[in-house]
Amino acid sequence: DIQMTQSPSSVSASVGDRVTITCRASQGISSWLAWYQQKPGKAPKLLIYAASSLQSGVPSRFSGSGSGTDFTLTISSLQPEDFATYYCQQANSFRWTFGQGTKVEIK
Amino acid sequence: QVQLVQSGAEVKKPGASVKVSCKASGYTFTSYDINWVRQATGQGLEWMGWMNPNSGNTGYAQKFQGRVTMTRNTSISTAYMELSSLRSEDTAVYYCARGRSVRGGYYFDYWGQGTLVTVSS
Repeated sequence: DIQMTQSPSSVSASVGDRVTITCRASQGISSWLAWYQQKPGKAPKLLIYAASSLQSGVPSRFSGSGSGTDFTLTISSLQPEDFATYYCQQANSFRWTFGQGTKVEIK
Repeated sequence: QVQLVQSGAEVKKPGASVKVSCKASGYTFTSYDINWVRQATGQGLEWMGWMNPNSGNTGYAQKFQGRVTMTRNTSISTAYMELSSLRSEDTAVYYCARGRSVRGGYYFDYWGQGTLVTVSS
């Protein structure tokens, strides 16, 4: 199975900050990567698919980039509703796997 | 609008089985896969398996092979996930999620609200 490793595990930031989260795959996955946002007690929500395509209804302050093994999720200007945990998911190879998550906390 | 509504919380004893349901609405049930993902308290997301509601074909994560069964009833647009031989480590929130292939990749675009399964003697 493809292993997904996210960094950092947590990040403290203030409203308005630019936040970047990285995700590394144990083998190349082309651009087949998704990012999800999860708030406490809620189901995950798809933010980005195909590494850089924004899911319908997701604010444009979220963006994704990367290909092969290294990917990033960027929040250009952090809003109060963005404090959550973010997961990457490899979408390339059956037996889909997730990163361990990155918690974005209020500074 | 697309909705996946799951059954309520369960408490089971070790060694028992649990069956969680996921009722789909707002789209053609047989047109998209249903996946199951679980999350232990304070932990990350763990994919368990997949089912094609049209064919009934399934695929499971190796970790759950032999213990999990995914089925469906197309007449009521409902998918089921049954996990047997429960142990305390299976205590988690179980989610169903619609799977969608987009340009060669596979993503989970809609999720159920989650079902807490507690395994305790």
